[in-house]
Amino acid sequence: RKEVEQDPGPFNVPEGATVAFNCTYSNSASQSFFWYRQDCRKEPKLLMSVYSSGNEDGRFTAQLNRASQYISLLIRDSKLSDSATYLCVVNPYSSASKIIFGSGTRLSIRP
Amino acid sequence: DVKVTQSSRYLVKRTGEKVFLECVQDMDHENMFWYRQDPGLGLRLIYFSYDVKMKEKGDIPEGYSVSREKKERFSLILESASTNQTSMYLCASRGVSGANVLTFGAGSRLTVL
Repeated sequence: RKEVEQDPGPFNVPEGATVAFNCTYSNSASQSFFWYRQDCRKEPKLLMSVYSSGNEDGRFTAQLNRASQYISLLIRDSKLSDSATYLCVVNPYSSASKIIFGSGTRLSIRP
Repeated sequence: DVKVTQSSRYLVKRTGEKVFLECVQDMDHENMFWYRQDPGLGLRLIYFSYDVKMKEKGDIPEGYSVSREKKERFSLILESASTNQTSMYLCASRGVSGANVLTFGAGSRLTVL
């Protein structure tokens, strides 16, 4: 079983729709969680950190469920510019090097 | 904003050539990383450095070495490039305080013929 698993998609949704994806992680001792966004042929960039109480940044909401060991990302009122690959990132041990990336979920927003 | 600069965006090399990939960060970060990214495999850690002259092997160090002589610079070396090292190489840095956030360079796309 992979340490971090994501549905690869692609998710193809119309502009204005709400879309959500989950990411599961295997290590219950994981400490830090993030969503990164990666545009085609570009580097990953931090979208948002995920906090235990859940957090929101504009149209984006991230949730953490420690009991079921997953994190989620919800995008409301999706825009064409949201089309990208979304990477789930988990830092299992608060160790400097052990950062685990999911393979990414591809999202395509159509007009 | 942290800036991580990778010197070469695109390189084409021949099998057996020695390849240097350079990465420089401007925020005095202690931690620096080299990843490679391949379709379907995601990002895989090649090497990590937690301080000057300090390094740690990642998940796929075979065929690679690294050098960190100065805090701001972390170099990845392919001693003898092979076709299976054709990939996108991403450098990242992170400070030891704060929220464990990685900042990436723009990537170096290497093709080995």
